Amino acid sequence: EPEVTQTPSHQVTQMGQEVILRCVPISNHLYFYWYRQILGQKVEFLVSFYNNEISEKSEIFDDQFSVERPDGSNFTLKIRSTKLEDSAMYFCASSVGWNTEAFFGQGTRLTVV
Amino acid sequence: QQQVKQSPQSLIVQKGGIPIINCAYENTAFDYFPWYQQFPGKGPALLIAIRPDVSEKKEGRFTISFNKSAKQFSLHIMDSQPGDSATYFCAASELLGNQFYFGTGTSLTVIP
Repeated sequence: EPEVTQTPSHQVTQMGQEVILRCVPISNHLYFYWYRQILGQKVEFLVSFYNNEISEKSEIFDDQFSVERPDGSNFTLKIRSTKLEDSAMYFCASSVGWNTEAFFGQGTRLTVV
Repeated sequence: QQQVKQSPQSLIVQKGGIPIINCAYENTAFDYFPWYQQFPGKGPALLIAIRPDVSEKKEGRFTISFNKSAKQFSLHIMDSQPGDSATYFCAASELLGNQFYFGTGTSLTVIP
């Protein structure tokens, strides 16, 4: 069964460092998302992406965040200068269209120390 | 502002019981209502979803009931099993919408 894959599964980084979280969406999906979940809390929307452009972003997705689809298969989230409060699980998701089934990856646990 | 309100926060049932998780919304532009199941350390997994043109949808032991006039929808788990113990999230998105709005989650424990 096709699935969204994310790497790494866990990343520890020092405050102020840049991190790149990687995702390989399901191959025939065209719509991509990043969400995050602080431990024990709800799933929060960060950004959606289609046709090589950001479609929507939340207040969380400030200038420190960026997304990119560097090739035909990967979708990345970059945090330029990490803060302690960026520590969370980051989930990538993809879907065939807007407003349809979205499939989530297993997540990357980011720990900023 | 919480777009989708979910209750209860936690729920404990005996094996074989029927836990019910409720969600409510205000945005009448919402057109798609999925439920996700999440186990610790894992990503949310799509369980079942419904659109407003039907009032009920069943898939296996999982049923969504949808009340468009009340702007409420709920998840029922028939014959619950200990393996159903997980956190359940409702969500919603708008027609032509490009994000999902998640509820705050319900931690379900099914006691053997």
